[in-house]
Amino acid sequence: EVQLMESGGGLVNPGGSLRLSCAASGFTLSTYSIHWVRQAPGKGLEWVSSTIPSSDDIDYADSVKGRFTVSRDHATNSQSLQLNSLRAEDSGVYFCARESYGRLYAFDVWGQGTMVTVSS
Amino acid sequence: DIQMTQSPLSLSASVGDRVTITCRASQRISYYLNWYQQKPGKAPKLLIYAASSLQSGVPSRFSGSGSGTDFTLVISSLQPEDFATYFCQQSYGIPRTFGQGTRVEIK
Repeated sequence: EVQLMESGGGLVNPGGSLRLSCAASGFTLSTYSIHWVRQAPGKGLEWVSSTIPSSDDIDYADSVKGRFTVSRDHATNSQSLQLNSLRAEDSGVYFCARESYGRLYAFDVWGQGTMVTVSS
Repeated sequence: DIQMTQSPLSLSASVGDRVTITCRASQRISYYLNWYQQKPGKAPKLLIYAASSLQSGVPSRFSGSGSGTDFTLVISSLQPEDFATYFCQQSYGIPRTFGQGTRVEIK
């Protein structure tokens, strides 16, 4: 079964750091564009970052640029999102999602999400 | 960035009703428009891609239309399991922006 699973969320102080992970099963993560999307409590969906297969290019939302970093681990079929200099407004559920070329770049597979709470 | 504007932001409807949600892009995006359904505490689920193509396993009461800047999601006969929030998303450019969401509630 094709699945994505996030982990690593938790409670962190403002200014702190957290590392989220997105693990794939049933497909090879590195052959797809993978996106991170977050959702603040009771709010809408906000795109955070994206990776392109076979490219070192990674795009980030302006709101996280310079603070968040994506890295890929082909050996474990996973991807990580390093969150630094965290702010209260970074709180929310973080999802990773797979982009489908055959579906005009729609996100066809999503993880269940991992919760990040930034608070003192 | 491409801005996506949905309307209405919420609606109340009864089982069996026909429901229409619209989404407008701030620039032309051809058919690069997707619709997702999200239930509380769950991840979004792809319903419609490329403006009008039904994702595998999604009931045929869901349909999408439009191109360019104006798009529509229609639920032909609302079922109890359809009460949820619906988001449109453009996949034309980066950032992959979403609409604000439309919450469909039980009347």
